[in-house]
Amino acid sequence: NAGVMQNPRHLVRRRGQEARLRCSPMKGHSHVYWYRQLPEEGLKFMVYLQKENIIDESGMPKERFSAEFPKEGPSILRIQQVVRGDSAAYFCASSFDRVSNQPQHFGDGTRLSIL
Amino acid sequence: DAKTTQPNSMESNEEEPVHLPCNHSTISGTDYIHWYRQLPSQGPEYVIHGLTSNVNNRMASLAIAEDRKSSTLILHRATLRDAAVYYCILSSPSGSARQLTFGSGTQLTVLP
Repeated sequence: NAGVMQNPRHLVRRRGQEARLRCSPMKGHSHVYWYRQLPEEGLKFMVYLQKENIIDESGMPKERFSAEFPKEGPSILRIQQVVRGDSAAYFCASSFDRVSNQPQHFGDGTRLSIL
Repeated sequence: DAKTTQPNSMESNEEEPVHLPCNHSTISGTDYIHWYRQLPSQGPEYVIHGLTSNVNNRMASLAIAEDRKSSTLILHRATLRDAAVYYCILSSPSGSARQLTFGSGTQLTVLP
């Protein structure tokens, strides 16, 4: 059973470029969550999506960040016009259902570095 | 969201049991107690969860106090691979939110 797959594992961008981070959930999971971990900080929730719908984006920065989870294909976290402060590890998690006793399964993250 | 309190760090010797405490005095009746751990350079890994009764799985045991205001994650025989940050998280069924709120966790060091 493949776990949550994130790619790329490492991504380097220059200031002003776009970053696209991909997440394929575990087989059978239709709920996807994105978290960000800034250097020396804990993980912070960004957005929760179900197929084709954004359910909760309360943790997303208001500008430059967007997320989607299309009917087919992986979930994408997109960061436009990246800045140095976007350097972080971005983790994706998936779950089978959204009830509170279902664990979330995490990928190994994409480490984004902004030059 | 109900908060959890954990010690910043703990040490254990290899092959000895480890008891990682967590206080959650404002827990509500429907909150589940989840434990995750994060090894260096990896994503968080689900360990165990419970509601009221003690739970066991292949990784660990979870002991939940009768009043549910605290819980303890038990690693029966610590190995060097268990060195990680351990997070105790409450998961609420309310509304559409399913986010996990990670605190600073407990950094477990396992000594050979």
